[in-house]
Amino acid sequence: GAVVSQHPSWVICKSGTSVKIECRSLDFQATTMFWYRQFPKQSLMLMATSNEGSKATYEQGVEKDKFLINHASLTLSTLTVTSAHPEDSSFYICSAPGWGTGYTFGSGTRLTVV
Amino acid sequence: GENVEQHPSTLSVQEGDSAVIKCTYSDSASNYFPWYKQELGKRPQLIIDIRSNVGEKKDQRIAVTLNKTAKHFSLHITETQPEDSAVYFCAASISQGAQKLVFGQGTRLTINP
Repeated sequence: GAVVSQHPSWVICKSGTSVKIECRSLDFQATTMFWYRQFPKQSLMLMATSNEGSKATYEQGVEKDKFLINHASLTLSTLTVTSAHPEDSSFYICSAPGWGTGYTFGSGTRLTVV
Repeated sequence: GENVEQHPSTLSVQEGDSAVIKCTYSDSASNYFPWYKQELGKRPQLIIDIRSNVGEKKDQRIAVTLNKTAKHFSLHITETQPEDSAVYFCAASISQGAQKLVFGQGTRLTINP
């Protein structure tokens, strides 16, 4: 079945630094990738949609200069949290349209900014 | 855009009883409605889904019903077991996989032995 590999699974970074999260579709081509953020005990909130070869579409209220999304190939989409601050600490998860099950989720990245 | 409301936020039932979680959606164009179970710190796991051309779908102890006119859909879990304890999310999208998936707020289900 469709698999999306997400790395890293967890990361701790200092305030002011940048962190890159990768999502790779292993056995299919993902022309679209959805990026979600989930704060503790809350729902998954869509941040942006990346499309291979074009600019990402950001949801209202999401700073595109802070959350840089790149979808340079059919199998790789990346989210870079720039100048991270403690309030950016969250669970970030990607999702791609898969086969059969509709959407294939990555395993998520727990980001802690100290 | 689509808005999905989910109730209740917490639900506690006795083992063996049934649990029902309800969701409403706003966009009449939505036609794909999955339900996910999420363990702490893990990815959402699809447990059942339904498309708008179907009114009900069942898979063993789990069933989903859809009322397109009222724009609401429900998850039914029968003969609940302790391992059913988790957070459940409903979601809605326009066409399976092609459009963004909007999630409900989630329901924390606790099965009491």
